[in-house]
Amino acid sequence: NAGVIQTPRHKVTGKGQEATLWCEPISGHSAVFWYRQTIVQGLEFLTYFRNQAPIDDSGMPKERFSAQMPNQSHSTLKIQSTQPQDSAVYLCASSLDGTNERLFFGHGTKLSVL
Amino acid sequence: GEKVEQHESTLSVREGDSAVINCTYTDTASSYFPWYKQEAGKGLHFVIDIRSNVDRKQSQRLIVLLDKKAKRFSLHITATQPEDSAIYFCAASRAGYQNFYFGKGTSLTVIP
Repeated sequence: NAGVIQTPRHKVTGKGQEATLWCEPISGHSAVFWYRQTIVQGLEFLTYFRNQAPIDDSGMPKERFSAQMPNQSHSTLKIQSTQPQDSAVYLCASSLDGTNERLFFGHGTKLSVL
Repeated sequence: GEKVEQHESTLSVREGDSAVINCTYTDTASSYFPWYKQEAGKGLHFVIDIRSNVDRKQSQRLIVLLDKKAKRFSLHITATQPEDSAIYFCAASRAGYQNFYFGKGTSLTVIP
């Protein structure tokens, strides 16, 4: 079991460019979560899928951010027209069925927007 | 929405002593309270959790206490070891719903 895999580990983009972050959940897990981690804000919930369907995207900034889960084995978080304030570590997590259970986190993608 | 506050941003203890990290929450409907540990450069790793039907849970050197009246819960690490050094996060969520609200983390240093 390789755990939750996030790629890339580090991404550097110029202001205004697009960034796509990838997450491969643990096989058999039906729920996938995205969080953003910064020193100032801590861990912020972005969005969550269960059985590939979006359940709650209340934490997603309304503009420029989108997330998809086209199949059971991966989810993507896309940020269009990146801004310096988007710089953060983006963490993906999965859980067995999306109810109150432990989350398994990936190592995160550190996004730096110059 | 729920707000989880973690009271200690940093904590230093000597090896073998106990460490206590305190959190408070605001949503009376919250009923699940997990704790996660983050080591440098890594993602979060589950350590222990407690549900609102109990007020104490222990797993080896980790004890979690829950005071629903005060909306407060705490993580006690006994007989600390250097490998306990990490950032610890508390979280809260409602029953059956897994949008966790996290505290801002406590950086624990265990001094050998």
